[in-house]
This record gives sequence, structure tokens and C-alpha cells, in this order.
Amino acid sequence: GAGVSQTPSNKVTEKGKYVELRCDPISGHTALYWYRQSLGQGPEFLIYFQGTGAADDSGLPNDRFFAVRPEGSVSTLKIQRTERGDSAVYLCASSLLGDQPQHFGDGTRLSIL
Amino acid sequence: SQQGEEDPQALSIQEGENATMNCSYKTSINNLQWYRQNSGRGLVHLILIRSNEREKHSGRLRVTLDTSKKSSSLLITASRAADTASYFCAPKETSGSRLTFGEGTQLTVNP
Repeated sequence: GAGVSQTPSNKVTEKGKYVELRCDPISGHTALYWYRQSLGQGPEFLIYFQGTGAADDSGLPNDRFFAVRPEGSVSTLKIQRTERGDSAVYLCASSLLGDQPQHFGDGTRLSIL
Repeated sequence: SQQGEEDPQALSIQEGENATMNCSYKTSINNLQWYRQNSGRGLVHLILIRSNEREKHSGRLRVTLDTSKKSSSLLITASRAADTASYFCAPKETSGSRLTFGEGTQLTVNP
């Protein structure tokens, strides 16, 4: 597709459950980023992939959060034992190289009940 | 952290007027980027200005960068109702590839 695609667009689940959020970046983009955005705030950096490897995962809040990009394209953000505080919009972005403008998806709105 | 801080937090103007938003940051940067976000959507890249540039134009947008004052401004001329959105600046540190966003400026353009 032409842009960054994120699925699902909305996810509602109960506290304690496991969730996976998917990101399809723009074809050919080697850099991929995950952000989390709470209402009224700017995006908060979580993790950056260059190719298949996580070049910077210092934004992941704790070990319940994990992300993979096994083939250097699609990425999955995984959250274990979800908590109500995890509720937010999770945004994915990609760029051709690490120093280029980022192209964002519309995000996944995650609600933990 | 290298967070951009936007000012004002909110701005309301009439269609046709100009809108100016400011951004301050703390340390050395490689470039500074401006993004806009419509409600419920992802961010859209507007313009990138490098640390060795002082001014850049793109259509109705004009961005300035003053590295000595660690500040940038975004000017939108002849605003339209469709410009209503949140605007974020994102300084890019000299090392690493992460962008760090502030809380943004919520711009409302009244028809």
C-alpha cells in the first residue's frame, strides 16, 4: 500500500490479557518506529528498528512490552499482562533511512478495561 | 531528553490570518522536524530544517531555526479551516534516530 498500515485500528481487552499490534511499513523503508500517545500529549518514543534489529529500545516502559521485526518489514508490538495504564493510541512510523522524515500510520487505539 | 516544547499550547484564529507556533529545545540537534496531526489520525510530516539552515519554505509554511537560541518557529500564512490540527516540533539529536515530541500546539482556524 501507499502508506503505513496498522491493525487493528481499535482493540478493547481486559486487564491481564496479552495483545499484539501490527504495523506494515511503507515498502522499502528500513527504519521503523513505535510510539505511544495519550490524550492531549505528543507521541512518546518506544522502540526503533533498523532492519530486523532493535537499534534503540530504551523507550519501552517495562519488560511487559516487546517488539519484533523478523524479516525487516512488518513489525509486531506485544504487550503482556496488560494494565489499565497501557490504554493509549499506539503509533507506528517508518522512514527510508534513520535520518529521514517519518511516515505515520493512523494508530491502534488500545483500551484496557 | 531532547524534547521539543511548543508554544502556545492553543491558538485560535480567523480564516485568512497567519498562525505562528514556536518550539524550544535543549541540546545540539542534527535537524528539527514539524508534524501536524488531525484528530484521530497519525502524524503527517510537514517540513524538515537542518541545523545549518536558518529558514525554509514549503507552500504556505515558513520555518525558521535559530540554533544559538535553540528555537524554531512555524508560520502558516493565509490560514484555512482545514489547517485546524495539532502541530508538533521534533528535534532530532545528533546521535540516534529517535524523535522526541512535545505536547504540541492545538491550532483552531475559524471559518
